[in-house]
Amino acid sequence: DTAVSQTPKYLVTQMGNDKSIKCEQNLGHDTMYWYKQDSKKFLKIMFSYNNKELIINETVPNRFSPKSPDKAHLNLHINSLELGDSAVYFCASSTRGVDTIYFGEGSWLTVV
Amino acid sequence: GENVEQHPSTLSVQEGDSAVIKCTYSDSASNYFPWYKQELGKRPQLIIDIRSNVGEKKDQRIAVTLNKTAKHFSLHITETQPEDSAVYFCAISGNTPLVFGKGTRLSVIA
Repeated sequence: DTAVSQTPKYLVTQMGNDKSIKCEQNLGHDTMYWYKQDSKKFLKIMFSYNNKELIINETVPNRFSPKSPDKAHLNLHINSLELGDSAVYFCASSTRGVDTIYFGEGSWLTVV
Repeated sequence: GENVEQHPSTLSVQEGDSAVIKCTYSDSASNYFPWYKQELGKRPQLIIDIRSNVGEKKDQRIAVTLNKTAKHFSLHITETQPEDSAVYFCAISGNTPLVFGKGTRLSVIA
């Protein structure tokens, strides 16, 4: 059983396109996250979300938007893709509050 | 906001030697300090963590020490093995999601 799963694992797309990455967790966690890992391996929080609150990292462009149909899912939508969006995007989840987070396997996005 | 500095950025050790990675932070409200290991092409995975009411924690060859007064914590790996080669991330959290250090690429030379 995969605790945090995300699809697709690999995505190659052209500049200007709109794409989505899906994430699901079966851990019963209350909070989900999206992290971006760039080519230098830096891991940066993009969003955290539970059923009450969305916290957005202020450095994230508004072309990125999280959408959560229920507490087990947090999808990432990206509009008007740019070359600089190429990265690995990790979904993660945790119990409410400060605790260990569990990562999905990552989605490798390449914008050409 | 929370910020964490991690050193060194790269570390090479001979198999069997010890490796130490250190992180410093500034926010005294930080109270959770995990370490993650990321192998090439894989997800980051938790290897050990410590909370602010504890000074040291050990799990086999891995240990973490925390100095809350000085605001730093360290990962210690003893008797390193080639499979310890990976990127290691420290992280901190207080009332916000985990903030990660920039990572240390550890190479264990056989």
